[in-house]
Formats: sequence, C-alpha cells, structure tokens
Amino acid sequence: AQSVSQHNHHVILSEAASLELGCNYSYGGTVNLFWYVQYPGQHLQLLLKYFSGDPLVKGIKGFEAEFIKSKFSFNLRKPSVQWSDTAEYFCAVNDDGSKSTFGDGTTLTVKP
Amino acid sequence: DVKVTQSSRYLVKRTGEKVFLECVQDMDHENMFWYRQDPGLGLRLIYFSYDVKMKEKGDIPEGYSVSREKKERFSLILESASTNQTSMYLCASRYLRADRASEAFFGQGTRLTVV
Repeated sequence: AQSVSQHNHHVILSEAASLELGCNYSYGGTVNLFWYVQYPGQHLQLLLKYFSGDPLVKGIKGFEAEFIKSKFSFNLRKPSVQWSDTAEYFCAVNDDGSKSTFGDGTTLTVKP
Repeated sequence: DVKVTQSSRYLVKRTGEKVFLECVQDMDHENMFWYRQDPGLGLRLIYFSYDVKMKEKGDIPEGYSVSREKKERFSLILESASTNQTSMYLCASRYLRADRASEAFFGQGTRLTVV
C-alpha cells in the first residue's frame, strides 16, 4: 500500500524566514503529487500539484515544490513566509487507483 | 467554482445512535470520498465511490457504511455511533481522469462529537 511521510509535525517560524516541508512517498510507479493547505477554520484546498514535465512546480501564494523521483520526494518550499501562511499542510499522492493517500500533515505557525 | 457541501458543520450524537452525514457536489465528479481527520493522524480514508451505487472500503471502514444513490450525493452512515468515532469528517470529490492528475475538492467538514 502507498504511504506518505511528512517529516515535520509542527514547524514554527518567524515572518520572512524560509520554509521547507519534507514529503516522501513509497510507491515506485507513476504518481501524481499534491500539496494541500488548510487555513484555520477553512476547508482543505489545493496549493500545487505535479503530474508531468518540469519537476519544479509553482503554486499559489509563492509556494513551490520540487519532485525528485530518485528520492521519492516532493518537498514544499517558500522563500519568505508570512503570518497568513499559518495553516496545516498536507502532502498527497494519487497512484494507480482512484484514491489519494495523504500524509499526517504539518502544522506551520508563523510568528509576526 | 466546484462546491462540495456537507450537511452539518457541527453534530452532537449519543452513543448507539445511527448517524447520517450527507455530502453533495455540484461538478459532476465521478469519484467521492469520506475521510476522517484526527490530530497527528492526518486524513484517513473511510470509504470511496467511483460511480453511482459503487463503493470501496478505504483504510478504516469498520463501523461505517456509505450510500451513493445519485452521482452528486455521497452519504456516510455510522450504524451505531461510539465515542471513538468523535472526529472531523471530510467529504471530497474529484474527476476520474486516466492520468490521475485531478485534485480533490473538499467540503468544510463536519465535526462530530459522540457523547
């Protein structure tokens, strides 16, 4: 079965600090990779996704992620975080089936 | 904009009650999902459906059942609610694409408390 690991459960940063959230998956075949974000009190929404082509993908609000196939990784980055980035972030993988597998989530707290 | 609507935002039920959680999507998506979200455990798949009247068990189906009589509606049923089913329940839907590249769209969640 597919599994997704997010390395950090809780990250605390000051505004303007750089962010990198780790995500590794286990499936060795063709995958589609996603980062979702859940802002406080809001529903989960898509931040960015990778399905083919350039392994560096850009999403909303200045986020980007890099797919490294040899490392089974899809790490999320942002060069300078803002207080409004405080949220929970989930990495997810679609594999051969119809379902998505999610990581446990990383809670990001940005201090003003 | 895709809209996934869950019938209740907050629900309090008693142990042993039969509980229905309803979800409706307005974008003609083939796939629909029910997850539960618990702190530190992420999203765990309970059941999913890839077509009307079709369902498949997810990772934690015990104590739950589902119904999909119409394409836009996917119901989660707790046959006899227990306190360990207190959780946030999320419904999601997405297109069925051959390249699996479609993202999921989520409802706002139902926070269920079983007392």
